[in-house]
Amino acid sequence: RKEVEQDPGPFNVPEGATVAFNCTYSNSASQSFFWYRQDCRKEPKLLMSVYSSGNEDGRFTAQLNRASQYISLLIRDSKLSDSATYLCVVGYNTDKLIFGTGTRLQVFP
Amino acid sequence: NAGVMQNPRHLVRRRGQEARLRCSPMKGHSHVYWYRQLPEEGLKFMVYLQKENIIDESGMPKERFSAEFPKEGPSILRIQQVVRGDSAAYFCASSRTGSGQPQHFGDGTRLSIL
Repeated sequence: RKEVEQDPGPFNVPEGATVAFNCTYSNSASQSFFWYRQDCRKEPKLLMSVYSSGNEDGRFTAQLNRASQYISLLIRDSKLSDSATYLCVVGYNTDKLIFGTGTRLQVFP
Repeated sequence: NAGVMQNPRHLVRRRGQEARLRCSPMKGHSHVYWYRQLPEEGLKFMVYLQKENIIDESGMPKERFSAEFPKEGPSILRIQQVVRGDSAAYFCASSRTGSGQPQHFGDGTRLSIL
């Protein structure tokens, strides 16, 4: 079983739609959680950290369920510029980050 | 530019040659991480270094690959006697401290082996 699992997609959604991505992780000792965004052939960029209480940043909402070892990302009012691959990332106290293989999102006009 | 700096952006080598990839962390960051991304695959952790110390090299291939982060200068990822399978994007990231801080990535080095 992979340490971090994501649905690869692609998710094809129209502009303005709401889309949700899910991610599960296998190691209950995981201590930090992030969503990164990666555009084609570019470097990953931090989108947001994920906290136990859930957190929101504009159109983006992240949730963490430690009991189920489950992380989610919700994007509201999708924009064309949201098209990218979204990486679920889990960290341990050794600071090594484990990346999921990513979920592709394509927003169309 | 205060971001993570990697060079070169693109590197072409013939089989058997050596490849040296450089990474300067963000200002104020003392933790450096190297990742490899094969085409159509996710990022894979290779090695985590602090100044003059390798903290975790569990993702490094046992042979031909080495990394260092000297007291002065950038971190270097060195691949000796490259083979076709080494063709990938190599990303460097840095963080200010450990303990679950987010990592910030450089633009990467695209290594192509002829």
